[in-house]
Amino acid sequence: KAGVTQTPRYLIKTRGQQVTLSCSPISGHRSVSWYQQTPGQGLQFLFEYFSETQRNKGNFPGRFSGRQFSNSRSEMNVSTLELGDSALYLCASSTGQGGEQFFGPGTRLTVL
Amino acid sequence: QKEVEQDPGPLSVPEGAIVSLNCTYSNSAFQYFMWYRQYSRKGPELLMYTYSSGNKEDGRFTAQVDKSSKYISLFIRDSQPSDSATYLCAMSFSDTGRRALTFGSGTRLQVQP
Repeated sequence: KAGVTQTPRYLIKTRGQQVTLSCSPISGHRSVSWYQQTPGQGLQFLFEYFSETQRNKGNFPGRFSGRQFSNSRSEMNVSTLELGDSALYLCASSTGQGGEQFFGPGTRLTVL
Repeated sequence: QKEVEQDPGPLSVPEGAIVSLNCTYSNSAFQYFMWYRQYSRKGPELLMYTYSSGNKEDGRFTAQVDKSSKYISLFIRDSQPSDSATYLCAMSFSDTGRRALTFGSGTRLQVQP
């Protein structure tokens, strides 16, 4: 079974720009969660999508948004990028009915 | 105070040693407990997944959960240099809509050949 895939793997943007990251979950999984990982704050939950609906949201500003498509693929968008948004963005896939969450390799975003 | 506390290490052990990694937490409502391994510049890999209290064993890995003490552990037997990585504990609530993972800060493990 193929694992979680994320694209692109690396991104370099400048302050004020916006960015869209993509995640394809494991086949059959309907839940996709997004996390931000930084050296200072560690891994922090952004939001979860299940069956195209946001089911849970972390404590991040509205510049961070996401969506999920009918095939369970998910995108997250960050608008008006700030230097502090530089991080590894990880998505996690699960069945959505409890159970394990499996992570993708992440997208490393650098904001200059 | 963080909800989940984890010693950042680094923890350095010789090959073949038994490694003990630990996390404490403050919210007694956590019901699911996980351990992930993360190599440099990679995504976290799920090692162990347990529900509520008790022990779970998988090969060289044993996870223990003590809910009365709010304390979880991961033991690695016969450690190998390939086990060198950062180990993250994570936990979540049982409600379907509250499955967001709360992570510890991670412990960096180095196994010396």
